[in-house]
Amino acid sequence: QQQVKQSPQSLIVQKGGISIINCAYENTAFDYFPWYQQFPGKGPALLIAIRPDVSEKKEGRFTISFNKSAKQFSLHIMDSQPGDSATYFCAAPRGGADGLTFGKGTHLIIQP
Amino acid sequence: DAMVIQNPRYQVTQFGKPVTLSCSQTLNHNVMYWYQQKSSQAPKLLFHYYDKDFNNEADTPDNFQSRRPNTSFCFLDIRSPGLGDAAMYLCATSMVKAGGGYGETQYFGPGTRLLVL
Repeated sequence: QQQVKQSPQSLIVQKGGISIINCAYENTAFDYFPWYQQFPGKGPALLIAIRPDVSEKKEGRFTISFNKSAKQFSLHIMDSQPGDSATYFCAAPRGGADGLTFGKGTHLIIQP
Repeated sequence: DAMVIQNPRYQVTQFGKPVTLSCSQTLNHNVMYWYQQKSSQAPKLLFHYYDKDFNNEADTPDNFQSRRPNTSFCFLDIRSPGLGDAAMYLCATSMVKAGGGYGETQYFGPGTRLLVL
Protein backbone atom coordinates (compact mmCIF):
# COMPACT_ATOMS: atom_id res chain seq x y z
CA GLN A 1 0.00 0.00 0.00
CA GLN A 2 1.16 3.46 -0.89
CA GLN A 3 2.55 5.36 2.09
CA VAL A 4 3.09 9.09 2.04
CA LYS A 5 5.20 10.89 4.61
CA GLN A 6 4.57 14.61 4.95
CA SER A 7 6.56 17.27 6.77
CA PRO A 8 6.51 19.56 8.62
CA GLN A 9 3.46 18.95 10.76
CA SER A 10 3.03 22.69 11.31
CA LEU A 11 4.57 25.75 9.72
CA ILE A 12 4.51 29.45 10.48
CA VAL A 13 5.54 31.85 7.72
CA GLN A 14 5.53 35.61 7.55
CA LYS A 15 3.32 37.31 5.00
CA GLY A 16 5.14 37.55 1.70
CA GLY A 17 7.45 34.65 2.49
CA ILE A 18 7.75 31.25 0.84
CA SER A 19 5.98 28.26 2.40
CA ILE A 20 7.48 24.85 1.62
CA ILE A 21 5.87 21.53 2.45
CA ASN A 22 7.48 18.21 1.59
CA CYS A 23 6.23 14.72 0.91
CA ALA A 24 7.91 11.40 0.25
CA TYR A 25 6.29 8.33 -1.24
CA GLU A 26 7.24 4.69 -1.60
CA ASN A 27 5.73 3.15 -4.69
CA THR A 28 6.67 4.41 -8.13
CA ALA A 29 3.99 2.43 -9.98
CA PHE A 30 1.44 5.22 -9.90
CA ASP A 31 2.65 8.74 -10.47
CA TYR A 32 -0.13 11.19 -9.82
CA PHE A 33 0.41 13.43 -6.88
CA PRO A 34 -2.16 15.99 -5.79
CA TRP A 35 -2.11 18.56 -3.04
CA TYR A 36 -5.30 19.37 -1.21
CA GLN A 37 -6.08 22.50 0.79
CA GLN A 38 -8.53 22.34 3.65
CA PHE A 39 -10.00 25.19 5.65
CA PRO A 40 -11.56 24.55 9.07
CA GLY A 41 -15.02 23.01 8.76
CA LYS A 42 -14.69 22.49 5.01
CA GLY A 43 -13.90 19.54 2.80
CA PRO A 44 -10.49 19.26 1.14
CA ALA A 45 -10.20 21.04 -2.19
CA LEU A 46 -7.78 20.10 -4.92
CA LEU A 47 -5.10 22.78 -5.09
CA ILE A 48 -2.64 21.50 -7.67
CA ALA A 49 -1.50 18.12 -8.97
CA ILE A 50 1.41 16.76 -10.95
CA ARG A 51 1.96 13.78 -13.24
CA PRO A 52 5.35 12.14 -13.89
CA ASP A 53 6.06 13.64 -17.27
CA VAL A 54 7.11 16.97 -15.74
CA SER A 55 9.39 17.90 -12.85
CA GLU A 56 7.61 21.10 -11.96
CA LYS A 57 4.14 22.54 -12.28
CA LYS A 58 3.17 26.08 -11.47
CA GLU A 59 -0.27 27.56 -11.00
CA GLY A 60 -0.22 31.15 -9.85
CA ARG A 61 1.64 31.33 -6.55
CA PHE A 62 1.58 27.55 -6.08
CA THR A 63 4.30 25.29 -7.46
CA ILE A 64 4.84 21.54 -7.20
CA SER A 65 8.40 20.31 -7.55
CA PHE A 66 8.69 16.62 -8.33
CA ASN A 67 11.82 14.49 -7.93
CA LYS A 68 11.06 11.05 -9.29
CA SER A 69 14.44 9.51 -8.50
CA ALA A 70 14.21 10.61 -4.88
CA LYS A 71 10.49 9.78 -4.70
CA GLN A 72 9.76 13.20 -3.26
CA PHE A 73 7.51 16.08 -4.14
CA SER A 74 7.01 19.42 -2.54
CA LEU A 75 4.58 22.32 -2.52
CA HIS A 76 5.90 25.86 -2.66
CA ILE A 77 3.65 28.80 -1.92
CA MET A 78 5.23 32.03 -3.09
CA ASP A 79 4.30 35.41 -1.58
CA SER A 80 2.34 33.63 1.15
CA GLN A 81 -0.81 35.46 2.27
CA PRO A 82 -2.91 35.21 5.44
CA GLY A 83 -5.69 33.69 3.32
CA ASP A 84 -3.37 30.75 2.61
CA SER A 85 -3.59 29.73 6.28
CA ALA A 86 -5.07 26.23 6.11
CA THR A 87 -4.16 22.58 6.40
CA TYR A 88 -2.42 21.12 3.36
CA PHE A 89 -2.42 17.43 2.51
CA CYS A 90 -0.29 15.68 -0.05
CA ALA A 91 -1.62 12.44 -1.47
CA ALA A 92 -0.72 9.57 -3.71
CA PRO A 93 -2.87 7.07 -5.59
CA ARG A 94 -3.48 3.61 -4.24
CA GLY A 95 -4.19 2.30 -7.71
CA GLY A 96 -7.19 2.23 -10.01
CA ALA A 97 -10.38 3.17 -8.22
CA ASP A 98 -8.95 2.56 -4.76
CA GLY A 99 -8.57 6.23 -4.10
CA LEU A 100 -5.83 8.20 -2.45
CA THR A 101 -3.69 7.79 0.60
CA PHE A 102 -3.04 11.08 2.35
CA GLY A 103 -0.10 12.49 4.22
CA LYS A 104 -0.80 13.51 7.80
CA GLY A 105 -1.20 17.15 6.87
CA THR A 106 0.61 20.42 7.48
CA HIS A 107 -1.07 23.15 9.45
CA LEU A 108 0.13 26.38 7.82
CA ILE A 109 -0.19 29.76 9.50
CA ILE A 110 0.71 32.93 7.62
CA GLN A 111 1.36 35.77 10.01
CA PRO A 112 0.39 39.26 8.83
CA ASP B 1 -22.25 24.12 -11.05
CA ALA B 2 -21.39 20.44 -10.95
CA MET B 3 -20.59 19.48 -7.41
CA VAL B 4 -20.65 17.07 -4.52
CA ILE B 5 -23.39 17.79 -2.00
CA GLN B 6 -23.62 16.40 1.51
CA ASN B 7 -26.56 16.52 3.85
CA PRO B 8 -26.92 17.37 6.57
CA ARG B 9 -23.90 19.57 7.26
CA TYR B 10 -24.23 18.92 10.98
CA GLN B 11 -25.77 15.87 12.60
CA VAL B 12 -26.28 15.27 16.30
CA THR B 13 -27.22 11.77 17.37
CA GLN B 14 -27.42 9.81 20.56
CA PHE B 15 -25.11 7.01 21.55
CA GLY B 16 -26.35 3.84 19.83
CA LYS B 17 -29.01 5.56 17.70
CA PRO B 18 -28.66 4.75 13.98
CA VAL B 19 -27.82 7.64 11.72
CA THR B 20 -27.64 8.06 7.96
CA LEU B 21 -25.57 10.62 6.10
CA SER B 22 -26.19 11.35 2.46
CA CYS B 23 -24.11 12.40 -0.50
CA SER B 24 -25.17 13.35 -4.00
CA GLN B 25 -23.17 14.37 -7.03
CA THR B 26 -23.87 16.06 -10.34
CA LEU B 27 -20.49 15.13 -11.82
CA ASN B 28 -21.70 11.75 -13.11
CA HIS B 29 -18.57 10.14 -11.70
CA ASN B 30 -18.44 6.37 -11.47
CA VAL B 31 -16.67 6.16 -8.10
CA MET B 32 -17.92 7.50 -4.78
CA TYR B 33 -15.89 7.41 -1.58
CA TRP B 34 -16.60 7.87 2.10
CA TYR B 35 -13.86 9.16 4.37
CA GLN B 36 -13.78 9.73 8.09
CA GLN B 37 -11.73 12.68 9.33
CA LYS B 38 -11.08 13.29 12.98
CA SER B 39 -9.73 16.54 14.35
CA SER B 40 -6.22 17.38 13.13
CA GLN B 41 -5.97 14.12 11.20
CA ALA B 42 -5.91 13.15 7.56
CA PRO B 43 -9.03 11.75 5.90
CA LYS B 44 -9.27 7.99 6.36
CA LEU B 45 -10.98 5.96 3.67
CA LEU B 46 -13.86 3.83 4.94
CA PHE B 47 -15.10 2.34 1.65
CA HIS B 48 -15.96 3.17 -1.91
CA TYR B 49 -18.32 2.20 -4.69
CA TYR B 50 -16.98 1.65 -8.17
CA ASP B 51 -20.25 1.82 -10.09
CA LYS B 52 -22.31 -0.73 -8.15
CA ASP B 53 -19.36 -2.64 -6.75
CA PHE B 54 -18.80 -2.07 -3.05
CA ASN B 55 -15.21 -2.04 -1.77
CA ASN B 56 -14.70 -2.06 1.97
CA GLU B 57 -11.44 -1.14 3.65
CA ALA B 58 -10.07 -3.95 5.79
CA ASP B 59 -10.08 -1.89 8.98
CA THR B 60 -13.52 -0.31 8.60
CA PRO B 61 -15.72 -1.41 11.51
CA ASP B 62 -18.87 -3.41 10.74
CA ASN B 63 -20.80 -0.59 12.37
CA PHE B 64 -20.35 1.38 9.15
CA GLN B 65 -22.39 0.46 6.09
CA SER B 66 -23.03 2.11 2.77
CA ARG B 67 -25.60 2.11 0.00
CA ARG B 68 -25.50 3.45 -3.51
CA PRO B 69 -28.97 3.23 -5.05
CA ASN B 70 -27.95 5.01 -8.24
CA THR B 71 -25.03 6.86 -9.82
CA SER B 72 -25.84 10.15 -8.14
CA PHE B 73 -26.47 9.15 -4.53
CA CYS B 74 -24.50 7.37 -1.85
CA PHE B 75 -25.37 6.90 1.82
CA LEU B 76 -23.33 6.21 4.91
CA ASP B 77 -25.14 4.32 7.65
CA ILE B 78 -23.77 4.11 11.16
CA ARG B 79 -25.75 1.39 12.87
CA SER B 80 -24.82 2.08 16.48
CA PRO B 81 -22.77 5.24 16.83
CA GLY B 82 -20.27 5.39 19.64
CA LEU B 83 -18.52 8.39 21.09
CA GLY B 84 -15.46 7.49 19.02
CA ASP B 85 -17.44 7.91 15.81
CA ALA B 86 -17.76 11.65 16.28
CA ALA B 87 -15.92 13.09 13.31
CA MET B 88 -16.26 14.84 9.98
CA TYR B 89 -17.51 12.49 7.28
CA LEU B 90 -16.42 13.37 3.79
CA CYS B 91 -17.85 12.14 0.54
CA ALA B 92 -15.71 12.28 -2.57
CA THR B 93 -16.14 11.31 -6.20
CA SER B 94 -13.82 10.37 -8.99
CA MET B 95 -14.05 9.36 -12.62
CA VAL B 96 -11.90 6.29 -13.12
CA LYS B 97 -11.22 4.95 -16.59
CA ALA B 98 -11.46 1.24 -17.29
CA GLY B 99 -8.04 -0.38 -17.12
CA GLY B 100 -6.88 1.67 -14.16
CA GLY B 101 -3.51 3.36 -14.37
CA TYR B 102 -2.97 6.71 -12.83
CA GLY B 103 -4.99 7.80 -9.87
CA GLU B 104 -7.71 10.22 -10.75
CA THR B 105 -8.65 13.50 -9.17
CA GLN B 106 -11.07 13.24 -6.28
CA TYR B 107 -13.63 15.93 -5.63
CA PHE B 108 -14.77 16.32 -2.07
CA GLY B 109 -18.04 17.52 -0.64
CA PRO B 110 -18.18 19.97 2.27
CA GLY B 111 -18.54 17.18 4.82
CA THR B 112 -21.00 16.30 7.56
CA ARG B 113 -19.86 16.89 11.10
CA LEU B 114 -21.27 14.19 13.36
CA LEU B 115 -21.64 14.70 17.07
CA VAL B 116 -22.53 11.75 19.31
CA LEU B 117 -24.06 12.52 22.70
